Amino acid sequence: AQSVTQLGSHVSVSEGALVLLRCNYSSSVPPYLFWYVQYPNQGLQLLLKYTSAATLVKGINGFEAEFKKSETSFHLTKPSAHMSDAAEYFCAVSPYSGAGSYQLTFGKGTKLSVIP
Amino acid sequence: EAGVTQFPSHSVIEKGQTVTLRCDPISGHDNLYWYRRVMGKEIKFLLHFVKESKQDESGMPNNRFLAERTGGTYSTLKVQPAELEDSGVYFCASSQGARGWTEAFFGQGTRLTVV
Repeated sequence: AQSVTQLGSHVSVSEGALVLLRCNYSSSVPPYLFWYVQYPNQGLQLLLKYTSAATLVKGINGFEAEFKKSETSFHLTKPSAHMSDAAEYFCAVSPYSGAGSYQLTFGKGTKLSVIP
Repeated sequence: EAGVTQFPSHSVIEKGQTVTLRCDPISGHDNLYWYRRVMGKEIKFLLHFVKESKQDESGMPNNRFLAERTGGTYSTLKVQPAELEDSGVYFCASSQGARGWTEAFFGQGTRLTVV
């Protein structure tokens, strides 16, 4: 079974400041890990993914995340926040099975506000 | 290329009524997933189609929910009769059928309100 915990349902940062969104997971098998973003009135968009290759993963819009097995974490960071980053962010885990359903288990989401 | 399209975008129905949500996946995508987000909760998996077959429906809440995928193309999710707790946002996603991981693309969701 898998589960995801996102610390903080709301995070506010100043424009230009570091963005850090926390995600911890549990999984009984080697996981695939994902961050999705949802902008207002839009669907979920994949930001980045970890699929057992490099532990530091770079995604779109300057975001990156590091897979730390010992800490069961996959925190999302961006060095400098932009107003356009305001959105809701979801961490998700999927069991690696090699085939079949890549059913995603999501965290509750973190709403990011960027203050001018 | 068109993305995943969901109809309607919003639906308000009375308790006891029937509602049908539709999802048009990206053309050529064999995998189709339904997810639901109840307010304040996480997005939860409902079921997974591979072409027209149900691969995994372990997340379906109860037998008031019926999902179909006609000819392996579009999919419908019917709720009959609707209850208050069915309110939420229903997301559809699709991915290619290749072996190994392939990205799932999500639609904008259908916001269902049962009153």
